[in-house]
Amino acid sequence: GNSVTQMEGPVTLSEEAFLTINCTYTATGYPSLFWYVQYPGEGLQLLLKATKADDKGSNKGFEATYRKETTSFHLEKGSVQVSDSAVYFCALSPGTQGGSEKLVFGKGMKLTVNP
Amino acid sequence: DGGITQSPKYLFRKEGQNVTLSCEQNLNHDAMYWYRQDPGQGLRLIYYSQIVNDFQKGDIAEGYSVSREKMESFPLTVTSAQKNPTAFYLCASSIYEDSGKLFFGSGTQLSVL
Repeated sequence: GNSVTQMEGPVTLSEEAFLTINCTYTATGYPSLFWYVQYPGEGLQLLLKATKADDKGSNKGFEATYRKETTSFHLEKGSVQVSDSAVYFCALSPGTQGGSEKLVFGKGMKLTVNP
Repeated sequence: DGGITQSPKYLFRKEGQNVTLSCEQNLNHDAMYWYRQDPGQGLRLIYYSQIVNDFQKGDIAEGYSVSREKMESFPLTVTSAQKNPTAFYLCASSIYEDSGKLFFGSGTQLSVL
């Protein structure tokens, strides 16, 4: 079946540190991959996505590249800010017909950035 | 501004009581979803609806019910049959064919008294 595995947290970084959050997936076919972010007390927001191999998604200084050979979609940011403190979810949508009911989420990783 | 609104933000349920969580969207999306979030567990799908007057069970539908009488509204009822209802509930909407691109509300925290 389809699944997503994220690195476990929580993680605490200092401001301006480099961030990597690992995400690997298992899927049949040609999935699309997503990163969602959840700020404290709020719902999730789509951060970025990639729909095919070697695509790079980017937004707000975050980047992730769809690597089919390593089945990975790691999230990176060169210099984190206190405002990046949130829970980050990796997600997969299988490359089949249908809507978001098939979306598979990772367990999420909590990031805290200290000044 | 378009968006998706959940209410209330906090809700308390007594033993044997049914409670209803509200979800309204003005994004003109055809599809709506309910998720349950438990600490460290990620999101689990409870119910979803592709169109008005139609809805389908998700992975953990037991103890929950929904209705979709209007495009804008998708209320979730947590029934007394749900023995462990304490969780954060998230409603989302999307254009059905735009798979994976969900817009979420800010959630309802349900607790048992």
